[in-house]
Amino acid sequence: AAGVIQSPRHLIKEKRETATLKCYPIPRHDTVYWYQQGPGQDPQFLISFYEKMQSDKGSIPDRFSAQQFSDYHSELNMSSLELGDSALYFCASSLGTVNTEAFFGQGTRLTVV
Amino acid sequence: AQSVTQLDSQVPVFEEAPVELRCNYSSSVSVYLFWYVQYPNQGLQLLLKYLSGSTLVKGINGFEAEFNKSQTSFHLRKPSVHISDTAEYFCAVTQRSGSARQLTFGSGTQLTVLP
Repeated sequence: AAGVIQSPRHLIKEKRETATLKCYPIPRHDTVYWYQQGPGQDPQFLISFYEKMQSDKGSIPDRFSAQQFSDYHSELNMSSLELGDSALYFCASSLGTVNTEAFFGQGTRLTVV
Repeated sequence: AQSVTQLDSQVPVFEEAPVELRCNYSSSVSVYLFWYVQYPNQGLQLLLKYLSGSTLVKGINGFEAEFNKSQTSFHLRKPSVHISDTAEYFCAVTQRSGSARQLTFGSGTQLTVLP
C-alpha cells in the first residue's frame, strides 16, 4: 500500500539558508500535518492543512511557512535557518477531519551547520 | 487543550519478560488515544488506538492497551517482549470533535529489551 512520501530524506543546510521540505500524502488523503522532532524530543505539531486550506497552527516559527497544493502535496518552507532548526520533520496524512488515524512519513532529517 | 504524560522515560526489561509502559492524559474534551512506536531513524508507526467501545485494545506486534477513563490512563502492555521491540514508544491524543485533529504526544518511553 502507498505510504506518505517525504523528500528529501536528509538535508544539510548552513545557517541563514532556506530549505524546502516536501510531503506527498497517501492517495485520497486530503489532510496533511507537519511535526518537528528535535533530538531526544517528542514530535511537536507545527501546522496542518485540510482541503488545501490551513486548518490549524501549532508552534511554527514565523520564519517557516507551508502550503498544500491542488494535488494535496504539501511543502514546508524554512528560511533564515538556525542551528536549533536541526530536527526530524515528519509529515502525516489522514482522510478528512473525521478520520482518526494519521499515517506518518519516514521524515526528513534537517541538519543546520 | 490536552497533554500527555509518560511516566517512565526509560524502561529496561529482559527478553520474554512482560512490560507495561505508562501513559496518563489530561484533556478538557473527549479524546482519542494512540500508541506509536519509533525505531531509530525511522518514522512513527501506529501500534494501536482507542476510539470507543471495549476499553481493551489490541494492536500489532502483540501489544495491547487498556483505556481507563476514571484514571485518565492508557497504559501499553506486552506479555513477553522480544529484542526487536527495542524502540521509542509515544502515547498520543487527539480531540474527538472539531477541526483540530493534530496529535499531542507524550515525551516518549525508550524500551530496551535485554538478552
